[in-house]
Amino acid sequence: DTAVSQTPKYLVTQMGNDKSIKCEQNLGHDTMYWYKQDSKKFLKIMFSYNNKELIINETVPNRFSPKSPDKAHLNLHINSLELGDSAVYFCASSQDRVSGELFFGEGSRLTVL
Amino acid sequence: QKEVEQDPGPLSVPEGAIVSLNCTYSNSAFQYFMWYRQYSRKGPELLMYTYSSGNKEDGRFTAQVDKSSKYISLFIRDSQPSDSATYLCASRAQTGANNLFFGTGTRLTVIP
Repeated sequence: DTAVSQTPKYLVTQMGNDKSIKCEQNLGHDTMYWYKQDSKKFLKIMFSYNNKELIINETVPNRFSPKSPDKAHLNLHINSLELGDSAVYFCASSQDRVSGELFFGEGSRLTVL
Repeated sequence: QKEVEQDPGPLSVPEGAIVSLNCTYSNSAFQYFMWYRQYSRKGPELLMYTYSSGNKEDGRFTAQVDKSSKYISLFIRDSQPSDSATYLCASRAQTGANNLFFGTGTRLTVIP
């Protein structure tokens, strides 16, 4: 039973299109995140949601909009896709406020042509 | 300058070797230090977690933090082919994961 699941796993699209990636966690965690991992494996936080409230937005273009219908779901919508948006996007969740351990999904590989 | 710097490798070692993976960080306020392991086409998983300076051992893995030099290390003893993965160090200053900074990861291959 997958703890953090995200769909789709692979996404190939043209520049200028709009796309969404969905994420669900069944761990009962209060906080969910979106991370972007570039081709050099650098993992950088994009957004964090705690109980449906946005608490981080790290200089991400406003073409990216997270949406959290409830605390188990955090979707990522991307408008007007650009070549530089090609990356692997990871959803994650956490509950432990001491260790801050993150539980990651398997990633959604986005390729913009 | 990135908050956490890590040699991307790649690093190839024979099975049974001792592996040393290292990171440096720039923020003196960092108190929590983690190592995540990421297999190919998978998400990162927490491997080790330490607080402040010192060592922590878990089976074949030892995490070491030297806050005076801002140096983070992960040692793997008796390395196995199943240890082949990318290892990412991460650090943060305060409780909670919201401001967790990752290194770029070191890709390790253990050759049978």
